Amino acid sequence: DGGITQSPKYLFRKEGQNVTLSCEQNLNHDAMYWYRQDPGQGLRLIYYSQIVNDFQKGDIAEGYSVSREKKESFPLTVTSAQKNPTAFYLCASSIRSSGAIYEQYFGPGTRLTVT
Amino acid sequence: RKEVEQDPGPFNVPEGATVAFNCTYSNSASQSFFWYRQDCRKEPKLLMSVYSSGNEDGRFTAQLNRASQYISLLIRDSKLSDSATYLCVVQIQRTGGGNKLTFGTGTQLKVEL
Repeated sequence: DGGITQSPKYLFRKEGQNVTLSCEQNLNHDAMYWYRQDPGQGLRLIYYSQIVNDFQKGDIAEGYSVSREKKESFPLTVTSAQKNPTAFYLCASSIRSSGAIYEQYFGPGTRLTVT
Repeated sequence: RKEVEQDPGPFNVPEGATVAFNCTYSNSASQSFFWYRQDCRKEPKLLMSVYSSGNEDGRFTAQLNRASQYISLLIRDSKLSDSATYLCVVQIQRTGGGNKLTFGTGTQLKVEL
């Protein structure tokens, strides 16, 4: 089955620790995205990547880092510099990221709780 | 003004009812429009893209009004399984390349017996 996987589903960390969230897709999509969702707010874009070895900051990139060494994988690191890391993190992918309509498809998400 | 605005609801409707949601967007350069459905504590799932001429998929009809900058979603013959939050999503082209999706905060629908 083609799809996007994220692991783990739930993650608990102590304040001050970096944590890396996994995102893998086997849809052969070029573009991948990371969002966070907080209660009462729409999804906000953290980082996106249009192609392997390339990525751009989204609207709320501070305190996060990413890499895109393989087409299938786009891990997100939440660093200790992120002021409010507790959130629901969603990874998405699309065939491409520009031009005509390219819908984005989401993974199941990771709920990160930092105490 | 928010880039994408939706009435948060909840809309409580009886099974079999017809319900409509509207969504307004502020950026006239918006190119593409979508409705996503999100169940509680789950990921958003694409419900349908919204085309300029309007489009229908079974019980769901989406329409776009570019002049007034709003999109709508109509659900006919509501089912209990339609209970979810419906996210309005607007796409614009980024100046540096790639597209940007802006998500509304969602409208909650509860279909009751």
